[in-house]
Amino acid sequence: DAKTTQPPSMDCAEGRAANLPCNHSTISGNEYVYWYRQIHSQGPQYIIHGLKNNETNEMASLIITEDRKSSTLILPHATLRDTAVYYCIVRGFQKLVFGTGTRLLVSP
Amino acid sequence: DTEVTQTPKHLVMGMTNKKSLKCEQHMGHRAMYWYKQKAKKPPELMFVYSYEKLSINESVPSRFSPECPNSSLLNLHLHALQPEDSALYLCASSQPRDRVNEQYFGPGTRLTVT
Repeated sequence: DAKTTQPPSMDCAEGRAANLPCNHSTISGNEYVYWYRQIHSQGPQYIIHGLKNNETNEMASLIITEDRKSSTLILPHATLRDTAVYYCIVRGFQKLVFGTGTRLLVSP
Repeated sequence: DTEVTQTPKHLVMGMTNKKSLKCEQHMGHRAMYWYKQKAKKPPELMFVYSYEKLSINESVPSRFSPECPNSSLLNLHLHALQPEDSALYLCASSQPRDRVNEQYFGPGTRLTVT
């Protein structure tokens, strides 16, 4: 599975958009990009995934660059409950390999 | 029902004890997973079951013994653990598709080995 690089921490004001970047320069053509988050003392929660096209669901949007070497998770209107560690994962076969993630702190 | 339940929530055990962690899901998923998470670290995969058969063992020591008695249940039997095995143990489930695979996680069992 390809390796991912994320900033260790980010801050965001409540109500503003949170844009979380992820680099995955060694991604191969058939590997999907997944995003999970883990709120303190809970199990990880699936957010979104994509292959080539941009994706949107009720939680977030995922923007993947045309060369697929990086992506951005967008939380359009961050709330205090979005404070969590966000993991970007590139997955080829069956298993998720979590990197160190980005700790997002949403403040009032 | 999109819930994965794990029991117990907390467990304290001595190094000579035998205990079991239990995980249950009723989403019809046929793949189930055990992860271990140390404090301030990401989850690390331990075992994967697909259609009730062990498909991945990430070189986990034999003092951890998984069991999948049916498609809804996953157990992790613990014996002769070490203090460094203290961690949050997470269970997850999904459909066993190769590439598109959203995993649903339980809240975890926080294990302390004394």
